[in-house]
Amino acid sequence: GAGVSQSPSNKVTEKGKDVELRCDPISGHTALYWYRQSLGQGLEFLIYFQGNSAPDKSGLPSDRFSAERTGGSVSTLTIQRTQQEDSAVYLCASSLAPAGGPYEQYFGPGTRLTVT
Amino acid sequence: QQPVQSPQAVILREGEDAVINCSSSKALYSVHWYRQKHGEAPVFLMILLKGGEQKGHEKISASFNEKKQQSSLYLTASQLSYSGTYFCGTGDKIIFGKGTRLHILP
Repeated sequence: GAGVSQSPSNKVTEKGKDVELRCDPISGHTALYWYRQSLGQGLEFLIYFQGNSAPDKSGLPSDRFSAERTGGSVSTLTIQRTQQEDSAVYLCASSLAPAGGPYEQYFGPGTRLTVT
Repeated sequence: QQPVQSPQAVILREGEDAVINCSSSKALYSVHWYRQKHGEAPVFLMILLKGGEQKGHEKISASFNEKKQQSSLYLTASQLSYSGTYFCGTGDKIIFGKGTRLHILP
């Protein structure tokens, strides 16, 4: 079956512009996660959606970042007034249930964001 | 709370063994292990759910010591394909450690 997909695969934007990154999780997966990975660095947690519960936004680095998940499926990560330090690969992952259970995360290929 | 991984990097010759450790200052109920190759997305290796649980995946296995709040990943008779960065992750929202870079030399 289809895996997690993300679009666009690459995005170059000018400093100060807004960007939207999209994630299509695997059908039926109730949990969805966003991570950021700067060049050569680890996976920085951003936000976590689980079913109809309020999302865990504790990892969002500033109020310029927001995310929503419509209909329990597709998610959009929005970055307003982009800064050069926002340049990174943004990874989305989904799983059948909260990761505290025996369910693995499936990662999408990521969106490489470059802010010039 | 981010788990701590050690070592940060390992260089091995093909056929040698390696151990990667993951520890947390908070109580652990599960530990996830992933491998990421350069330019690719992380790929699931295994989940450990109970204290003392051990699992294996080919020649890669892991243990979970709930009391010590740590997990270890064991790579035996390493192959070139094992090269990459290994991440452990903990908690419901999966907070990952900073990763361990493993490079296998022929």
